Amino acid sequence: SYELTQPPSVSVSPGQTARITCSGDALPKQYAYWYQQKPGQAPVLVIYKDSERPSGIPERFSGSSSGTTVTLTISGVQAEDEADYYCQSADSSGTYEVVFGGGTKLTVL
Amino acid sequence: EVQLVESGGGLVQPGGSLRLSCAASGFTFSSYDMHWVRQATGKGLEWVSAIGTAGDTYYPGSVKGRFTISRENAKNSLYLQMNSLRAGDTAVYYCARARNSDGMDVWGQGTTVTVSS
Repeated sequence: SYELTQPPSVSVSPGQTARITCSGDALPKQYAYWYQQKPGQAPVLVIYKDSERPSGIPERFSGSSSGTTVTLTISGVQAEDEADYYCQSADSSGTYEVVFGGGTKLTVL
Repeated sequence: EVQLVESGGGLVQPGGSLRLSCAASGFTFSSYDMHWVRQATGKGLEWVSAIGTAGDTYYPGSVKGRFTISRENAKNSLYLQMNSLRAGDTAVYYCARARNSDGMDVWGQGTTVTVSS
């Protein structure tokens, strides 16, 4: 089955830039989405269609795509950004399959 | 206020069945695709099923043939019938809405399913 690969963890100091990658063979053909999840809470959509930001999401969150890798960038990281981040996309083989990456724990030092 | 509220979780024995519900409010439910996503304790998100606005349904191999997603637009409700439950189905189950390529932009708070003897 189709897989999306994320690093298990990323650590940054407050005010620095965090970059979380997600790799998958179908990413050149399928949109990617990013979700933030804090402990005990439901996920929140922070990026859709590779690089679009939903209303209410701070401008410091941005997304980009290059080949088989998409990247979530958080500029000027704040303590409140510490959370798990999941990428999500779909298979491009013709079967409808929604796939999540394994998740990345962002630690703000 | 746009809201999704799940219910129906609980403790069930292996091999048993459970039906989850998701009540939608604050938006035109019939215009959105709906998904179920689960998360085992300490683990990542796993997509469980989806239903389109026309009633088309989709499942991953892990639940196909055991789980059935359905919707009742007149009641603004989404359902997940889960049969032949296994210990590996133990998780928090979330419902989420999606439209076109806009992603799962609204999620419920989740309902917990525990499969154990």
